[in-house]
Amino acid sequence: GNSVTQMEGPVTLSEEAFLTINCTYTATGYPSLFWYVQYPGEGLQLLLKATKADDKGSNKGFEATYRKETTSFHLEKGSVQVSDSAVYFCALSLTSGGSYIPTFGRGTSLIVHP
Amino acid sequence: EAGVTQSPTHLIKTRGQQVTLRCSPISGHTSVYWYQQALGLGLQFLLWYDEGEERNRGNFPPRFSGRQFPNYSSELNVNALELEDSALYLCASSRFWYEQYFGPGTRLTVT
Repeated sequence: GNSVTQMEGPVTLSEEAFLTINCTYTATGYPSLFWYVQYPGEGLQLLLKATKADDKGSNKGFEATYRKETTSFHLEKGSVQVSDSAVYFCALSLTSGGSYIPTFGRGTSLIVHP
Repeated sequence: EAGVTQSPTHLIKTRGQQVTLRCSPISGHTSVYWYQQALGLGLQFLLWYDEGEERNRGNFPPRFSGRQFPNYSSELNVNALELEDSALYLCASSRFWYEQYFGPGTRLTVT
């Protein structure tokens, strides 16, 4: 079956540090890949996406590259801010015969200290 | 533009009872998705409705069911509640399958 594996958290960083959150996947077929962010008390928000191999998704200083050869979609940001503290979810989705099949990772909590 | 709304915000039920959760999608979105976010388990896909029909369901027992109304709002029903049904239930809507917008969720506690 399909699965998404994220690094366990929490990830604790100081402001302006470099961030990497690892995400690897297994899927039958060619999935689209996503990163969602969940701020405290809120629903998930789409952060970025990539729909084919070698695509780079980017938004708000975050970026991730779809690496088919390593089945990975690691999230990076060059300089984190306190306001980036949230839970980050890696996800994949496939369509099969018009049916949407989503799979989410367990989420990685990021805590950024001033 | 108003986001996805869910009601109620919190709910406490006892084992064996039934519960109905509600979701209103963003205007113009025809698809609604339901997820269960149990502690430590991430998001588990429950159901996908599009244009009033169930298009796909995740690996959940039949006591989890729902429907989508002509105005694209949706209900999730859970019968014969069990303790392990305690979770945050998230609804999302989309116009395109690859880009979903999530509501804040309904926190269900089963005692």
